[in-house]
Amino acid sequence: EIVLTQSPATLSLSPGERATLSCRASQSISIYLAWYQQKPGQAPRLLIYDASNRATGIPARFSGSGSGTDFTLTFSSLEPEDFAVYYCQQRSNWPFTFGQGTRLEIK
Amino acid sequence: EVKLLESGGGSVQPGGSLRLSCAASGFTFTNYAVNWVRQAPGKGLEWVSTISGSGRDTHYADSVKGRFTISRDNSKNTLYLQMNSLRAEDTAVYYCAKFTGSNSGWFDYWGQGTLVTVSS
Repeated sequence: EIVLTQSPATLSLSPGERATLSCRASQSISIYLAWYQQKPGQAPRLLIYDASNRATGIPARFSGSGSGTDFTLTFSSLEPEDFAVYYCQQRSNWPFTFGQGTRLEIK
Repeated sequence: EVKLLESGGGSVQPGGSLRLSCAASGFTFTNYAVNWVRQAPGKGLEWVSTISGSGRDTHYADSVKGRFTISRDNSKNTLYLQMNSLRAEDTAVYYCAKFTGSNSGWFDYWGQGTLVTVSS
């Protein structure tokens, strides 16, 4: 099973700041990584797939990068609605796995 | 508009059974693999199971293999999850989710979730 490790566990920033979240895979997964946003009481929302492709309707301030084992989700400038929990997910091998999440909170 | 609506959650004793349903609309159901993903209270996401569009191919997380069975009725646009021998650690919100493509591996639409509580 491929283990995804996200860092940091919690990130405290202010609106307008740049944010970088990391996801590391226990083995190479090529570009087969996605990022999801989840707000309290809501289902997750797909943001990025295939490491760097934005899903439909996702603003350009979200960007993804990486390949192999190291991946990054970057916010160019945080908006108030961006404060949430973020998960990475791999589809390189069964079973599909998620990272443990990064909580992005308002400083 | 794509919609996924889960039902069937509730409280059950350890060792009991429950069947979840997910009614899909707004897309050609038979063209997409669909999935169950769960989230224990206050915890992260865990993929549970996937079934292909035809229903012929299924995959399960090790944690549920042999206890849970995923199935679908394409004539009713409905996904199911039969859960047997339930354990306390199966307590979670269960989401159904479709792939972006026929079998892409990325979850683009999710239901609102149904809560399963396993407790004596």
